[in-house]
Amino acid sequence: SAVISQKPSRDICQRGTSLTIQCQVDSQVTMMFWYRQQPGQSLTLIATANQGSEATYESGFVIDKFPISRPNLTFSTLTVSNMSPEDSSIYLCSVGGRTDTQYFGPGTRLTVL
Amino acid sequence: QKEVEQDPGPLSVPEGAIVSLNCTYSNSAFQYFMWYRQYSRKGPELLMYTYSSGNKEDGRFTAQVDKSSKYISLFIRDSQPSDSATYLCAMMGSNFGNEKLTFGTGTRLTIIP
Repeated sequence: SAVISQKPSRDICQRGTSLTIQCQVDSQVTMMFWYRQQPGQSLTLIATANQGSEATYESGFVIDKFPISRPNLTFSTLTVSNMSPEDSSIYLCSVGGRTDTQYFGPGTRLTVL
Repeated sequence: QKEVEQDPGPLSVPEGAIVSLNCTYSNSAFQYFMWYRQYSRKGPELLMYTYSSGNKEDGRFTAQVDKSSKYISLFIRDSQPSDSATYLCAMMGSNFGNEKLTFGTGTRLTIIP
């Protein structure tokens, strides 16, 4: 299984600001996924990121709000833009591939005041 | 109706008991079924995944899938206090590893010493 790290592990931000979350994997992976886990709710996919192509967003999530970069096969970033308290959540990246299921990073706990 | 339904609990059992965790689903396209364990303030950790109907055993854990009833279960034998966590069921279609996972809401389990 892949070893995944995320930065920051947690942050407290002011309304209207933006936060960029980094996801680093210890091996090259094809697919990277960004999920959101809101209190008391299941994990919800935000977008899928392939290296070298635009991210694919799920219904209800838009690029202007959650821009994603995938510059190489071991790294991705998710930005939460123009934050509001409703964006307070845990943000998780995961990696997968055709011969393996998905493994998750430790998550970034975001609180927006 | 949610695609995946999971009793959120909380569920408390004495140490040594057999634990049964369950999920139902409505989407016949789901082909792969996973169980993740999530400790507080950590990312989900993959426990097991199965493809076909039937049972799969790994140590004290047994995953059971009944595709005809659209019902999956995770059994934990000889439960330990270290098993106290939130258990998430997750499912995906046929493009193994490269598709989004659809999660249940998770069941919070506490094993009482």
